[in-house]
Amino acid sequence: KQEVTQIPAALSVPEGENLVLNCSFTDSAIYNLQWFRQDPGKGLTSLLLIQSSQREQTSGRLNASLDKSSGRSTLYIAASQPGDSATYLCAVIKAAGNKLTFGGGTRVLVKP
Amino acid sequence: GAGVSQSPRYKVAKRGQDVALRCDPISGHVSLFWYQQALGQGPEFLTYFQNEAQLDKSGLPSDRFFAERPEGSVSTLKIQRTQQEDSAVYLCASSFLSYNSPLHFGNGTRLTVT
Repeated sequence: KQEVTQIPAALSVPEGENLVLNCSFTDSAIYNLQWFRQDPGKGLTSLLLIQSSQREQTSGRLNASLDKSSGRSTLYIAASQPGDSATYLCAVIKAAGNKLTFGGGTRVLVKP
Repeated sequence: GAGVSQSPRYKVAKRGQDVALRCDPISGHVSLFWYQQALGQGPEFLTYFQNEAQLDKSGLPSDRFFAERPEGSVSTLKIQRTQQEDSAVYLCASSFLSYNSPLHFGNGTRLTVT
């Protein structure tokens, strides 16, 4: 059974610092990995989708890497801003599957 | 509409009551998912539709949970004889394809069973 773990569960940084969020998964037979952002009381917003054949994806200040063989992905957020405060979740979809398996999320607070 | 719409936004039910949660996906999206999110945790898969066909219901926790999407657009998640452990946020998501397109989530329905 696929298990997805995110460490740390919570993170607090001063504004301007770079954020590094970690995600690990136990079964490397994945089709893709997605990073989501969730604001309190809201649904999830897709940030980046990395295909299993890709090593990284970038969007603005966000960069996500994927090392499928070691079962790891890292989300980097450069020059953090208070508006980046949210919970960040990673999720994987297994090969030939259709449902996402989520990690527990990392709750980020960027202090002004 | 522009996004996935869920209603009601909040639902309080007494234990034993039946509830129905509605999801309006993005127009044209083939795939529709229901997830359950407990406080402080990541969402857990409940069920998946491709058009009107329910292809995977392996995540439904008991036979009290039932989902349908009769015309391949709007979906309803029904919970019969609600229990306190059913209290959670129920999220609906849709995508054009099931496995290779980003999922678009609604804001969820927060269900509280008293």
